[in-house]
Amino acid sequence: DGGITQSPKYLFRKEGQNVTLSCEQNLNHDAMYWYRQDPGQGLRLIYYSQIVNDFQKGDIAEGYSVSREKKESFPLTVTSAQKNPTAFYLCATSGTGKGQPQHFGDGTRLSIL
Amino acid sequence: GNSVTQMEGPVTLSEEAFLTINCTYTATGYPSLFWYVQYPGEGLQLLLKATKADDKGSNKGFEATYRKETTSFHLEKGSVQVSDSAVYFCALIPLTGGGNKLTFGTGTQLKVEL
Repeated sequence: DGGITQSPKYLFRKEGQNVTLSCEQNLNHDAMYWYRQDPGQGLRLIYYSQIVNDFQKGDIAEGYSVSREKKESFPLTVTSAQKNPTAFYLCATSGTGKGQPQHFGDGTRLSIL
Repeated sequence: GNSVTQMEGPVTLSEEAFLTINCTYTATGYPSLFWYVQYPGEGLQLLLKATKADDKGSNKGFEATYRKETTSFHLEKGSVQVSDSAVYFCALIPLTGGGNKLTFGTGTQLKVEL
């Protein structure tokens, strides 16, 4: 979606290094989400935030951290504690009215050097 | 809990063939139902949605009808094109609880050949 920008598109991490993936939106959506996608698999929820300065763990939060200081931004940090970080990471946003669909960015592909 | 089950892929069709991708769900009440499409190397795009029983979502020649009696939301297209080759995800948002968190199926890869 044009209103959600993920950067960079490709990212490489050395062993023991933390990296931060950016997600910015101009859709004025309150809720933001981070997913991980592994080859040939579905999406798994890492973290989500329904309002500024608040966020909740998803199904696979271990080894990841987030912040939500601004409505427009929801960066994801992949820490050195995440032992298998190679994956495709997708950010999404939605309105908070019930049943509002999520809209996705184009993703960041993270690889280990 | 909530869950979505999709048919296994890949599904391989010839151009202009009829497409059906099966999707069934488990959820209490009346969840909102969605189909998303993912082209290689890209994020997911919302293809269509339905929010109540007997609703039909449609977009770009694709259709899906919300069937409460069979808890299904099968995706159909009358005549597929090579450009429809992608992975298709069925998903739901439950009626109560959890904000607008999506529960996804595992995806079905569609390959359309000339």
